[in-house]
Amino acid sequence: TAGITQAPTSQILAAGRSMTLRCTQDMRHNAMYWYRQDLGLGLRLIHYSNTAGTTGKGEVPDGYSVSRANTDDFPLTLASAVPSQTSVYFCASSDREQGPQHFGDGTRLSIL
Amino acid sequence: QKEVEQDPGPLSVPEGAIVSLNCTYSNSAFQYFMWYRQYSRKGPELLMYTYSSGNKEDGRFTAQVDKSSKYISLFIRDSQPSDSATYLCATNYGGSQGNLIFGKGTKLSVKP
Repeated sequence: TAGITQAPTSQILAAGRSMTLRCTQDMRHNAMYWYRQDLGLGLRLIHYSNTAGTTGKGEVPDGYSVSRANTDDFPLTLASAVPSQTSVYFCASSDREQGPQHFGDGTRLSIL
Repeated sequence: QKEVEQDPGPLSVPEGAIVSLNCTYSNSAFQYFMWYRQYSRKGPELLMYTYSSGNKEDGRFTAQVDKSSKYISLFIRDSQPSDSATYLCATNYGGSQGNLIFGKGTKLSVKP
């Protein structure tokens, strides 16, 4: 069972460039989430989507945008990357808004 | 005060020991409680999910919630080297705001 697939697994990006992190789930879950995980800060929510066509801001949304055109895909875009966005990014999904979340294996992003 | 506090460890125990991992939370509105296990360079994996106070058991793992004290615990019996990972507690408000709030994780090492 694939669950959640994230791509790429890792990336080095020059500051000022744009990038889209991809997330696809095959569980037909309604809700999807993007987190970043930083040493000493833990997991922090960037954006979320409770259902296709809707999105919301999490704890650290600045510099990031998302879209949810369909149930399965939830891409995260960095329009103009900055070094402080160096992090490990995790996508997650759940079958209901208050349900447990299931995570992908992350994208390791370095901004130089 | 952070909403969810978790001792980062590291915690090192011999194989076969009983492990106790703990979190405290500050907001009595939190309704759902989860424990995740995260291996190095992997995404968090859901271990336990509970709503009510009391104990929930799954194999060698027992999750305990004490809402009166705002205290959640994960016990691992007969710990194995394969249990070596970082353990994250998480909670949420429920309802339409299903976003998880994570502890920063406790790194556990089980020595053979």
